[in-house]
Amino acid sequence: AQSVTQLGSHVSVSEGALVLLRCNYSSSVPPYLFWYVQYPNQGLQLLLKYTSAATLVKGINGFEAEFKKSETSFHLTKPSAHMSDAAEYFCAVSNQAGTALIFGKGTTLSVSS
Amino acid sequence: DGGITQSPKYLFRKEGQNVTLSCEQNLNHDAMYWYRQDPGQGLRLIYYSQIVNDFQKGDIAEGYSVSREKKESFPLTVTSAQKNPTAFYLCASSIQAGGNQPQHFGDGTRLSIL
Repeated sequence: AQSVTQLGSHVSVSEGALVLLRCNYSSSVPPYLFWYVQYPNQGLQLLLKYTSAATLVKGINGFEAEFKKSETSFHLTKPSAHMSDAAEYFCAVSNQAGTALIFGKGTTLSVSS
Repeated sequence: DGGITQSPKYLFRKEGQNVTLSCEQNLNHDAMYWYRQDPGQGLRLIYYSQIVNDFQKGDIAEGYSVSREKKESFPLTVTSAQKNPTAFYLCASSIQAGGNQPQHFGDGTRLSIL
């Protein structure tokens, strides 16, 4: 069965520091993977998606993620954190039937000045 | 601008009462979804619909019901059988129900018990 594990429910970084949010997946079929961001009391916004075209995926707001099949990982990175990056981030994988997404429990990113 | 509109933003339910959350999209998407979000739990799928007049149960459908009579509308009813309805409810849509299709989300409805 498909599943997603986000390591670390809370990550804190300083402004200008590297952001690394971890996501590991389990999938019995070639996965489609997504990262979403959620600001307080809002819906989710798509950051980027992996659909097998390229292993390094660039998204919005300077974020990128690398698909590593051998490690079953899809970690999200940004070279330099900005205060506006403070939010909750969700990794998701398509379910086996390809009809819906399975979400991780989320990682809250805090950015300090 | 195209998007997904959820209403109301805040909703209160009395014991034994059914309440309906509205979700409307003007993106011309075929597939629509309802998720429940609880702190530290991520998003859990309640129901989804791949096409008009068809819908399927998700992981936590008990105590909820939906309809899909129009392409643009996918209302969710939280029935009195749902004993713990306090949560943030998110509606989403995608062009099709395929696994490679990203989902677009509304801004949510926060449901609380009086």
